[in-house]
Amino acid sequence: EDKVVQSPLSLVVHEGDTVTLNCSYEVTNFRSLLWYKQEKKAPTFLFMLTSSGIEKKSGRLSSILDKKELFSILNITATQTGDSAVYLCAALHSTGNQFYFGTGTSLTVIP
Amino acid sequence: GAGVSQSPRYKVAKRGQDVALRCDPISGHVSLFWYQQALGQGPEFLTYFQNEAQLDKSGLPSDRFFAERPEGSVSTLKIQRTQQEDSAVYLCASSQLGSLGSGEKLFFGSGTQLSVL
Repeated sequence: EDKVVQSPLSLVVHEGDTVTLNCSYEVTNFRSLLWYKQEKKAPTFLFMLTSSGIEKKSGRLSSILDKKELFSILNITATQTGDSAVYLCAALHSTGNQFYFGTGTSLTVIP
Repeated sequence: GAGVSQSPRYKVAKRGQDVALRCDPISGHVSLFWYQQALGQGPEFLTYFQNEAQLDKSGLPSDRFFAERPEGSVSTLKIQRTQQEDSAVYLCASSQLGSLGSGEKLFFGSGTQLSVL
């Protein structure tokens, strides 16, 4: 059964801390892994990772994919209260029309 | 339009009522997805359209759920004889799938929160 597992389920940190969110996947015919930030209802796109070992960065956020060990991590450095959200990862099947989402990691950043 | 638009934002239904949820995808997007997100869970796939063709409806939980996209743009998700377990946020997403790169991003609407009493 195809599945995506995220850990931890929730995390509370202080502003300025660095966090690492984990996503492991078991998807036959895997194509890409995507990270989304969900603050209220609409998840917004963060990263898409297709190749193993290539880090993608956007400001204080970065992510990398390991296709051998079937996982990805999302790092957030110098966290801010605005980073508080649920972070979802999704694995895309090679057919291109099936995304498998994890349950998300709920991040709370306190001042 | 500029983004994926869903309506209504909130819907309260009595058990047994039929509901219809609307999704306006980003103009020109070929692929359209419906997801169901229960409280504290990640989105669960319901169905997928490529233009007007419903290519995958394996995620629809029962025959009370029906989706259509007759002209390949706006889509409607209909739930007949709603049950309490149907209470969830229903997310619509569109994408220009079929090519690697930015086309594989899903653009989500804000969802419709359905509460069945």
